[in-house]
Amino acid sequence: DAKTTQPNSMESNEEEPVHLPCNHSTISGTDYIHWYRQLPSQGPEYVIHGLTSNVNNRMASLAIAEDRKSSTLILHRATLRDAAVYYCILTRNQGGKLIFGQGTELSVKP
Amino acid sequence: ETGVTQTPRHLVMGMTNKKSLKCEQHLGHNAMYWYKQSAKKPLELMFVYNFKEQTENNSVPSRFSPECPNSSHLFLHLHTLQPEDSALYLCASSQALGVNSGNTIYFGEGSWLTVV
Repeated sequence: DAKTTQPNSMESNEEEPVHLPCNHSTISGTDYIHWYRQLPSQGPEYVIHGLTSNVNNRMASLAIAEDRKSSTLILHRATLRDAAVYYCILTRNQGGKLIFGQGTELSVKP
Repeated sequence: ETGVTQTPRHLVMGMTNKKSLKCEQHLGHNAMYWYKQSAKKPLELMFVYNFKEQTENNSVPSRFSPECPNSSHLFLHLHTLQPEDSALYLCASSQALGVNSGNTIYFGEGSWLTVV
């Protein structure tokens, strides 16, 4: 699976937007971009995924660059409960494995 | 509540003990997975099952023995473990094998294992 690069850590203030970047310059045409997050002492949970177009759901938005070599997860208003490790993962379209990297540890200050 | 339940949540075992971790999913999924998460390390995929058949073993030592009696249950049998095997063991499931458009993997809360 193609590699992703994320900052090790980021800080945010509560109720402010957060933009979590992910670089994936070796992405192939069939790779989906998935985001999962892991809250302390819990298993990872799905956040959002996309292929080419920007995506929105109740948790977050995913902005995908036109060349698909980078993407940004957007939390519109961070809450203390959003403090977690966020993983950006590329997968192949069929039978793609979910392989986790180090992710970005997001801390949210009141 | 993700629909994937793991028991026990915490387990302490000696190096000569035999114990098992249990995972049950109530989502009607066909694929199940075991992941290991050691302190300060990324999750590592250990085993993959699809329709009860093992499709992947990522060079996991034989002291870890998975069992999948049906699509809803997955076990990890533990025998003669080492202290370095202490970790969080996570079970996950998905409707179909792998992750693709529309297919999401759901994780349990994990079983914290300490080997003494």
